Amino acid sequence: EIVLTQSPGTLSLSPGERATLSCRASQSFSSIYLAWYQQRPGQAPRLLISGASTRAPGIPDRFSGSGSGTDFTLSISGLEPEDFAVYYCQHFGSSPQTFGQGTKLEI
Amino acid sequence: EVQLVQSGAEVKKSGESLKISCQGSGYTFTSFWIGWVRQESGKGLEWMGIIYPGDSDNRYSPSFQGQVTMSVDKSISTAYLQWSSLKASDTAVYYCARLPSSWPDKPFDVWGQGTLVTVSS
Repeated sequence: EIVLTQSPGTLSLSPGERATLSCRASQSFSSIYLAWYQQRPGQAPRLLISGASTRAPGIPDRFSGSGSGTDFTLSISGLEPEDFAVYYCQHFGSSPQTFGQGTKLEI
Repeated sequence: EVQLVQSGAEVKKSGESLKISCQGSGYTFTSFWIGWVRQESGKGLEWMGIIYPGDSDNRYSPSFQGQVTMSVDKSISTAYLQWSSLKASDTAVYYCARLPSSWPDKPFDVWGQGTLVTVSS
C-alpha cells in the first residue's frame, strides 16, 4: 500500500497569492496515477487534477500539477476566495487506492 | 447530467444493521465502477473499496474487508454499502464516487453528496 504524506498540514495565505502544496509517496509510482481533489466545507470532494498534471473539465487554469516518482506538487496561482479549502492527493493506480491526509488552505 | 444521489442521514444504535444507497443517473451505470470513501468528522478521506456494477467484481481495502459489504442492483442503477453490526466507530460521512471502467487509468470523477451515519452506543 502506498502511503501519501502531504505538507504543510495548514497553509495560510491571502487572496491573490500563490499556493504550493506537496504530496510525497512512500514508494515511487507513475505520475499517471496521481490525482488531486478539493473539498470545501460541507461539500463532497471535487476532482481537480488527474495524471499529476491534467486538469479535470471546468477546472480553472490557475490550478496546475506537476511531479514524478515520489514527489508531486499542486500549485494554485492568484488565489480566489473560493480556493480556500482542503486539498487531497490520491494514488489510484492499484488497490487499495490511498489518499494523503490533506492540506488545509486558509486565509 | 451525470449524478450520484445518496440516501439520507441515518441514526442507529450499536449492533444494528444498516444499508445505505447511491443511485447513478445520466450515464451507463454498468460501465463505471462505484467506490466508497469514509470521512470521519474533521478527518481525511479513507478509501473503502470499489465495485463494478457490470459483473459485481470488487476490491476492498484491507482496513474495511469483513467490516462492510458492497453490492449493486443494476436494474435500478443503485449501489449499496451495508453493515451487519454497527459500532460507534462507524460514525462518519460516507461518499460514493464514480470510477471510469478504464481504471486504473482514471480516478474518481463524480461524487455523491455523502450520507452521514451516526451510531450511538
